[in-house]
Amino acid sequence: GDSVTQTEGLVTLTEGLPVMLNCTYQTIYSNPFLFWYVHYLNESPRLLLKSSTDNKRTEHQGFHATLHKSSSSFHLQKSSAQLSDSALYYCALSDRRGTGSKLSFGKGAKLTVSP
Amino acid sequence: DSGVVQSPRHIIKEKGGRSVLTCIPISGHSNVVWYQQTLGKELKFLIQHYEKVERDKGFLPSRFSVQQFDDYHSEMNMSALELEDSAMYFCASSLRGACSDYTFGSGTRLLVI
Repeated sequence: GDSVTQTEGLVTLTEGLPVMLNCTYQTIYSNPFLFWYVHYLNESPRLLLKSSTDNKRTEHQGFHATLHKSSSSFHLQKSSAQLSDSALYYCALSDRRGTGSKLSFGKGAKLTVSP
Repeated sequence: DSGVVQSPRHIIKEKGGRSVLTCIPISGHSNVVWYQQTLGKELKFLIQHYEKVERDKGFLPSRFSVQQFDDYHSEMNMSALELEDSAMYFCASSLRGACSDYTFGSGTRLLVI
């Protein structure tokens, strides 16, 4: 079935260093939709990025990701981590057509940025 | 509030008890999904309703039932509560399309003692 894999459980970075969170997926659909959600402590998860067409980069709030269908990946990147980026990051795949989307979430990556 | 509204925000119940969680989706959103999160772990898919019909079920215990009503709001009825049911329960809603992202509610924190 459809699934999302996030390999890093915990990521600890020093402020100013680049961020890279991996996301790979499996799906039967030829045109998948991938999402990154960010979940700050004591808040609800919210959308950070949504995939566009194949090999096209999408950006928001300094983060960017590119859907690569050839490698089934949608890695999240940022050039310089900030303390305020500390949060849980989920990659998600939409795997439904016509009956409302159901997002399948990866296990999440907890990013901690320290001074 | 124009977002997804969940109630109650916090609730404490005794083991073996019952509880009802409510989710009011964003106006126009007929797709409603429930997730459970324990101790900051991953979001665990429980159930999805679209246009008042159950479309997919995940880890929803048989002790729980979920219904979506004509106005698309959703209620989760929980019975015979167990200590392991203590968790954050998030509801999310979206439009119909596969490319539609979810908007999450603020969640209900359930503590079973």
